[in-house]
Amino acid sequence: AQTVTQSQPEMSVQEAETVTLSCTYDTSESDYYLFWYKQPPSRQMILVIRQEAYKQQNATENRFSVNFQKAAKSFSLKISDSQLGDAAMYFCAYRRGIQGAQKLVFGQGTRLTINP
Amino acid sequence: NAGVTQTPKFQVLKTGQSMTLQCAQDMNHEYMSWYRQDPGMGLRLIHYSVGAGITDQGEVPNGYNVSRSTTEDFPLRLLSAAPSQTSVYFCASRHRTLSGNTIYFGEGSWLTVV
Repeated sequence: AQTVTQSQPEMSVQEAETVTLSCTYDTSESDYYLFWYKQPPSRQMILVIRQEAYKQQNATENRFSVNFQKAAKSFSLKISDSQLGDAAMYFCAYRRGIQGAQKLVFGQGTRLTINP
Repeated sequence: NAGVTQTPKFQVLKTGQSMTLQCAQDMNHEYMSWYRQDPGMGLRLIHYSVGAGITDQGEVPNGYNVSRSTTEDFPLRLLSAAPSQTSVYFCASRHRTLSGNTIYFGEGSWLTVV
């Protein structure tokens, strides 16, 4: 069974600085997708960034980028120039790549605090 | 706005009552799912559907039923509510093709069973 582990229950960073959130996963599949979701206090799940396992290039979305290490099964999220609006719970998630795969496996989450 | 719409947003039930959480999407997505999120945890899959008339169980299906009579709607029924079903429920949808790997979530439904 696939598992996703976020070993940092809480992180904090000064506004405008850079922070990295860690995620490791376990799978025997070769084709899969990895995601980072942001969950603000409103509890809505917002997609931050996604990475296809077959792509070697790390995904980037504006201030958000990932460090995808497939052999190490590591998928960390880097937030540059942190803003107060980045404060939220962040969840790492995994999904198999085959069509019809529905199950997203989530990590336990990391609560990110931004200090002004 | 296009997207996934869940109703109600808040609900309090008494133990043993039944109710239905509604989910609708207007993006013509084939795949729809229901998740629950308990305090301090990630989401866990309850049931999912890959198209109208097709449903299947996820990780934690006990105590819940689903149906998919149309592409747009995917209601989740609690048959006899229990305090253990107090949670936040999320509906999600995505397009069938591999390029549709972005999953869209609703805003969540807060359910309390007393």
